[in-house]
Parts: sequence; C-alpha cells; structure tokens
Amino acid sequence: NAGVTQTPKFQVLKTGQSMTLQCAQDMNHEYMSWYRQDPGMGLRLIHYSVGAGITDQGEVPNGYNVSRSTTEDFPLRLLSAAPSQTSVYFCASSSRDRGFGGYTFGSGTRLTVV
Amino acid sequence: GESVGLHLPTLSVQEGDNSIINCAYSNSASDYFIWYKQESGKGPQFIIDIRSNMDKRQGQRVTVLLNKTVKHLSLQIAATQPGDSAVYFCAENNAGNMLTFGGGTRLMVKP
Repeated sequence: NAGVTQTPKFQVLKTGQSMTLQCAQDMNHEYMSWYRQDPGMGLRLIHYSVGAGITDQGEVPNGYNVSRSTTEDFPLRLLSAAPSQTSVYFCASSSRDRGFGGYTFGSGTRLTVV
Repeated sequence: GESVGLHLPTLSVQEGDNSIINCAYSNSASDYFIWYKQESGKGPQFIIDIRSNMDKRQGQRVTVLLNKTVKHLSLQIAATQPGDSAVYFCAENNAGNMLTFGGGTRLMVKP
C-alpha cells in the first residue's frame, strides 16, 4: 500500500515554462487536494476534488489547473511558471467518511522557478 | 479573512517534560480541528482531531483541548521524546470544503 505518491520530488523550472505535478493514491479515496507550503508558513489550498470529474478552487488557485479523470490521479498543472510559484507542493487524499480532516499527505514536490 | 494562528513559533523542551503547543482560531463557524506533525522533508502527518461538541480528546501521549469561548486549541504531548521534534500545525474545517492551516510551531526536544 503506497498511500499518496507524488512525482517528481524536486523540479527546477524557468520562468514561463509549464509542467505537471503528478499525484496518485491507491486507497480509493474520494477527496483529493493540492496545497502549497512556503517557508515558515502553513499550507494553503490550491485546488481540491470531491470525486472523479469534480474539481473546485481553493484559496490560491491562480496559475494552476487540475483535472480528476480517475479516482486515483489528481495532477496539478502549472500553466506558465513564475518565481512566486517557488514552493513545496503537497497532495493529500481522504475518504468521504473522514472528510477533509482525515488527510493522508504525500511527501511533497519541491519546485524552484528561476 | 478568518484564519488559524499560533502563539509561539518555536518551543524548546527537555526530554521527558510535557509540551504544550497553542493555537488560536478566529472562525467561530469551525466545527472540526486537527493537529498535524511535520518532520523535515516529509508531508504533514495526522496526530489527533476534535469536534466542536467536545472540549477534550486523548490519544497516545497526546491530548487536544478545545476552548470555544476564547477560540483556543492546544496540543499537549506527555513525556516528550526526541522523536517528537517537528513542526506542529493546527488546522480547522468549518463544514465547508477547505481545511485552513495555522503557521506552525517548531518543537525542539533537548536531550
């Protein structure tokens, strides 16, 4: 049981480049979310999904897109990377009965935009 | 906007002592609170949660206290061990679809 798997673990992008951060979970969880964590700060919600085919914006959605074509996968796309998007990105999943408070987090993707 | 915050950014305790990490929240509609532990280079890990209809909940070596009157949440760790060294976050959910995190407190355990 792998839990929540994020790839890549590290990434350096140039300003303006696009890329997709991958997130997969094997727990058949309905809920999935993407957070970003900046130095010395808590996590801020980017986008979330309550099930396949359903996504919604969180607190800081600008510059990011998501899709949820399957229960297992929830990729996060950076459309045109900016230095302000330098951060550590965490994907999390939870079952419907535990709700958003029962998150299992991935180990994170550290992204640097130069 | 409404937010969850912490009083102390760093807490240093002696191994074996009890630790208390505090958190203030401002959204009176929040009905569910969670404490997470984050070790260096890892994602947050669930420690314990509490619903707003409770004022205390105990786990293994950890206790969460909720004071809704003053909108205060605390995490107590008994007999703190070196493995408890980490950053601790409180988070709140207000029955909507978002979990709001506080800024975190770093716990340092001295041997």
